[in-house]
Amino acid sequence: AQSVTQLDSHVSVSEGTPVLLRCNYSSSYSPSLFWYVQHPNKGLQLLLKYTSAATLVKGINGFEAEFKKSETSFHLTKPSAHMSDAAEYFCVAYNNNDMRFGAGTRLTVKP
Amino acid sequence: KAGVTQTPRYLIKTRGQQVTLSCSPISGHRSVSWYQQTPGQGLQFLFEYFSETQRNKGNFPGRFSGRQFSNSRSEMNVSTLELGDSALYLCASSLVAGAPTGELFFGEGSRLTVL
Repeated sequence: AQSVTQLDSHVSVSEGTPVLLRCNYSSSYSPSLFWYVQHPNKGLQLLLKYTSAATLVKGINGFEAEFKKSETSFHLTKPSAHMSDAAEYFCVAYNNNDMRFGAGTRLTVKP
Repeated sequence: KAGVTQTPRYLIKTRGQQVTLSCSPISGHRSVSWYQQTPGQGLQFLFEYFSETQRNKGNFPGRFSGRQFSNSRSEMNVSTLELGDSALYLCASSLVAGAPTGELFFGEGSRLTVL
């Protein structure tokens, strides 16, 4: 069975500073990997996805993630945080009809 | 283009009752999947329907069931409600089955409180 571990339950950054949200996965096979964002009282929105093409994936709103098979990681980054980035972020792995969500990382952006 | 619509947005039930939640997917999307979100267990996959057929099911008891209609609208039902069923239930639609091969579009959820 596969699993997803988001290494930080809460990350706090100042506006304009870089963002790093960490995700590790465990799977017998190379899964498809996704990052979704959830703003308060809203559904999830896809930020980006990795499906065995380029290992560096660019998403919406300036986010990107790099798939590192040797480290089984798929960390999400953004060079400069905006106040509007404050939300919950979920790393998701999918393989062979099995979909697993990470526990989520709450990002706080301080002015 | 209208997004995924879930109704009702909020509801309160008591233990032992049953509840039906509705999801209208984006026009043209034939796959609908359901998820339960709780503070303790996080996000968990419930089931996925494609063309009126359940394609995949998560690890939930038989009290949780669903169906999809010919217009792709979907309903999920929870019978004999328990306190632990209190959660935000999210629905997502996509163009194709095996949803993560394509993008999932989520509704805003139905928040169920069981007293």
